[in-house]
Amino acid sequence: EVQLVESGGGLVQPGGSLRLSCAASGFSFSSYWMHWVRQAPGKGLAWVSFINSDGSTTSHADSVKGRFTISRDNVKNTLYLQMSSLRVEDTAVYYCTRDLFSGMDVWGQGTTVTVFS
Amino acid sequence: QSALTQPPSASGSPGQSVTISCTGTSSDIGGYTYVSWYQQHPGKVPKLMISEVNRRPSGVPDRFSGSKSGNTASLTVSGLQAEDEADYYCSSYAGNNNYVFGTGTKVTVL
Repeated sequence: EVQLVESGGGLVQPGGSLRLSCAASGFSFSSYWMHWVRQAPGKGLAWVSFINSDGSTTSHADSVKGRFTISRDNVKNTLYLQMSSLRVEDTAVYYCTRDLFSGMDVWGQGTTVTVFS
Repeated sequence: QSALTQPPSASGSPGQSVTISCTGTSSDIGGYTYVSWYQQHPGKVPKLMISEVNRRPSGVPDRFSGSKSGNTASLTVSGLQAEDEADYYCSSYAGNNNYVFGTGTKVTVL
């Protein structure tokens, strides 16, 4: 079964850091581009970060640029999102997704990040 | 990286059709054929319904179709059913490995 399982979310104060992980199984992880997408409470979807299959190319939304870093370990079949200098507005459910022709065809169940002051 | 513009709501009776628009710019929708659509039921994970403007992934009913003209993409749901009531989001590639989502549309089946 194709599956993505996120972990690492939690409660953190503004200015703090968290590292999210996404464990992939059931498919050839190293062959796929991947994304992080977030959804603030009661709000819509927002693209956060992209990484290509070998990790050599990444990009981030302007709202997180310089604070978040996407990476991957193709041996461990795991995607990461290192988040630092967290702000209240980063509070959201964070989804790990698989890219298929720039459509996101597999989604994890999400992990919740809450930044509170 | 401004969000794509969608109408907040749309509705139709069972069996009717509903079309949702998604307006961007020449830097995203107008510049590429990488427009996708997602369905999200309350409390659930989003589901890919359309990719590359009009491709349906396996398992998605053919009642769902996509199109694009200029800077605007559209999702049409024909033969509306009760289970189609959900939030729908468009998304587009925006160049330089950047992506953008739409503001979302709540579809109500009357």
